[in-house]
Amino acid sequence: DAGVIQSPRHEVTEMGQEVTLRCKPISGHDYLFWYRQTMMRGLELLIYFNNNVPIDDSGMPEDRFSAKMPNASFSTLKIQPSEPRDSAVYFCASSFGTFSYEQYFGPGTRLTVT
Amino acid sequence: SQQGEEDPQALSIQEGENATMNCSYKTSINNLQWYRQNSGRGLVHLILIRSNEREKHSGRLRVTLDTSKKSSSLLITASRAADTASYFCATDAEGGSEKLVFGKGTKLTVNP
Repeated sequence: DAGVIQSPRHEVTEMGQEVTLRCKPISGHDYLFWYRQTMMRGLELLIYFNNNVPIDDSGMPEDRFSAKMPNASFSTLKIQPSEPRDSAVYFCASSFGTFSYEQYFGPGTRLTVT
Repeated sequence: SQQGEEDPQALSIQEGENATMNCSYKTSINNLQWYRQNSGRGLVHLILIRSNEREKHSGRLRVTLDTSKKSSSLLITASRAADTASYFCATDAEGGSEKLVFGKGTKLTVNP
C-alpha cells in the first residue's frame, strides 16, 4: 500500500479564498483523522470519522471548517473563507481503531494564507 | 484537552550517546504511544505500551510506563544522526474519549 496520500502538499492562498485539502486513507482502515499542527498549539485533532461517518468534530475551530468523507477511500477538509490564522500543516491519518491502535499519517499539507 | 507533556522540550547529544525523553500525563490511560516526526514529514508510529505493561522494547528503543507516577520514558540507545527528529507521546484523552491526544514533543538533535 502507498500509505496515506494527501494533496496538495503545499497550498498558498489569499485570505477569503476557499481551500480544499484531500486525503486518501490506507485501504481497509475504518478510521480517518484530520489534524492541524502549529508551533503554538502543537498537533490538534480537528475531526475523525468511523466508517465514513463523522464521530467527533469538537476540534473544528469554526464554522468556516468542514469535512466530508463520501466514501471509504476519500476525505476532504474545506476552509471557507480562509484566514491567515489558518496557516498550518494539516495532516490526515488513518487506522483500524482509535486510541488503542497506531495511526498512519500522511505527509501533510502545508497551508499558507496571506 | 492535552494529556501528555514531553520533557525536555529539546535535547542535543552526540552520536553514540543514549537519549531519554519523558512524558507525563494527567489522568488514567488505556495505553500510551510514541511517535517520531522528521522535519517536514508526517508522524510515524514507534511503539505502543498498554497500561498493564511496564516496559517494551523495539530495536534500539525502550519504553517504560509507570502508571503510579503517570509517566513514561522513551530511551534511544546508541543514537545516530538519523534519529534527529521530534518525538511525541500520545494518550487517550481525558474523560474516556476515544480520541488520541498528542503532547508538544521533544526535539532531539543527534550531532555526528
